[in-house]
Amino acid sequence: DIQMTQSPSTLSASVGDRVTITCRASQSISSWLAWYQQKPGKAPKFLIHDASTLESGVPLRFSGSGSGTEFTLTISSLQPDDFATYYCQQYNSYPYTFGQGTKVEIK
Amino acid sequence: EVQLVESGGGLVQPGGSLRLSCAASGFTFSSHSMNWVRQAPGEVLEWISYIGHTGSEIKYADSVKGRFTISRDNAKNSLFLQMNSLRVEDTAVYYCARDSGYCTRGGCYRWHDYWGQGTLVTVSS
Repeated sequence: DIQMTQSPSTLSASVGDRVTITCRASQSISSWLAWYQQKPGKAPKFLIHDASTLESGVPLRFSGSGSGTEFTLTISSLQPDDFATYYCQQYNSYPYTFGQGTKVEIK
Repeated sequence: EVQLVESGGGLVQPGGSLRLSCAASGFTFSSHSMNWVRQAPGEVLEWISYIGHTGSEIKYADSVKGRFTISRDNAKNSLFLQMNSLRVEDTAVYYCARDSGYCTRGGCYRWHDYWGQGTLVTVSS
């Protein structure tokens, strides 16, 4: 199985900060990576597919990059609604696997 | 508007069975593959099962293989998960999730673009 490792596990930031989350795959997954946002008690919300393609309706302050084994999710200017946990997921091969999540907290 | 509504969760004893359902609306259900993803309390997301849009292609995570069965009824816009021989470690919120994606010469690649609100399954004596 492909292991996905996110860093950091927790990130403390302020409104307006630029935030970057890293996701590493245990083997190359090309660009077959998605990002999701999850708030407490809620279902995950899909943000990005193919490592960098933003889902319609997702604010442009979100961006994704990377290929192969290293990927990043960047929030250019953190907004109050962005405090949540973010997960990466590889869909290169089954079983699809998620990272352990990065919690973005208010500083 | 795409909607996915899970039901069927509850409290069950170890070794017991439960059947989850996911009612889909707002899209052509028969055109999309579907998944079940679970999340144990305070834990990370775990993909557990996939079913192709016709139901002919099915995949499972090793953690549930041989105990869980995914199925769908396209005429009723419904997805199901039959869970047998339940264990304490199966305690989780179970989400159904719709796939979107595309196929290339190298394969088919799908992400989960819509999720239900989840249904809680608690396995405990």
